[in-house]
Amino acid sequence: DSGVTQTPKHLITATGQRVTLRCSPRSGDLSVYWYQQSLDQGLQFLIQYYNGEERAKGNILERFSAQQFPDLHSELNLSSLELGDSALYFCASSRDLNVGKLFFGSGTQLSVL
Amino acid sequence: SQKIEQNSEALNIQEGKTATLTCNYTNYSPAYLQWYRQDPGRGPVFLLLIRENEKEKRKERLKVTFDTTLKQSLFHITASQPADSATYLCVSPGAGSYQLTFGKGTKLSVIP
Repeated sequence: DSGVTQTPKHLITATGQRVTLRCSPRSGDLSVYWYQQSLDQGLQFLIQYYNGEERAKGNILERFSAQQFPDLHSELNLSSLELGDSALYFCASSRDLNVGKLFFGSGTQLSVL
Repeated sequence: SQKIEQNSEALNIQEGKTATLTCNYTNYSPAYLQWYRQDPGRGPVFLLLIRENEKEKRKERLKVTFDTTLKQSLFHITASQPADSATYLCVSPGAGSYQLTFGKGTKLSVIP
């Protein structure tokens, strides 16, 4: 058990809808990262938060947004969903701002029908 | 642009043999490389980190090397077991960035 909790485990929704994925980092970790993994792609970095502030952005679509709350949990919001957004979404956390070793949650499998 | 590549998508190996996975990087010099294991439908799990000034790192049956001349890291699993079957990911920080870039992974199957 990595100590990173992601909910829900599975999410099935329709095109055009909006969903929210939730992540609780390991106790004491200040950095939270979101990654997307689809079948034909490796893990793609989306966004990083550190202690409530956005620190780095990767290949995140404008339809996607995230935030980190004062209790350090994070949410990833996906809107105007398209079929191609179907993927596994992982949250990871680390102790510091400099990445080092990441601890991953078990992911949210999003299916857009 | 910087690239991290794991040349083999899949590797089949007989139980008891040594599995060797390759990771190559181009157009940059990472300060360190990491290796993670990922089982189907699960999040990656950290295995080893090796810094650019380290030639080799070991952990139980795992060994990682880092060759800055060849721009390559090798990941070895000795005395492989069916339980070692998984996808192994090579991971590197980007040039001028702390963000980690993941290779696409090598799916290892250890055949009894």
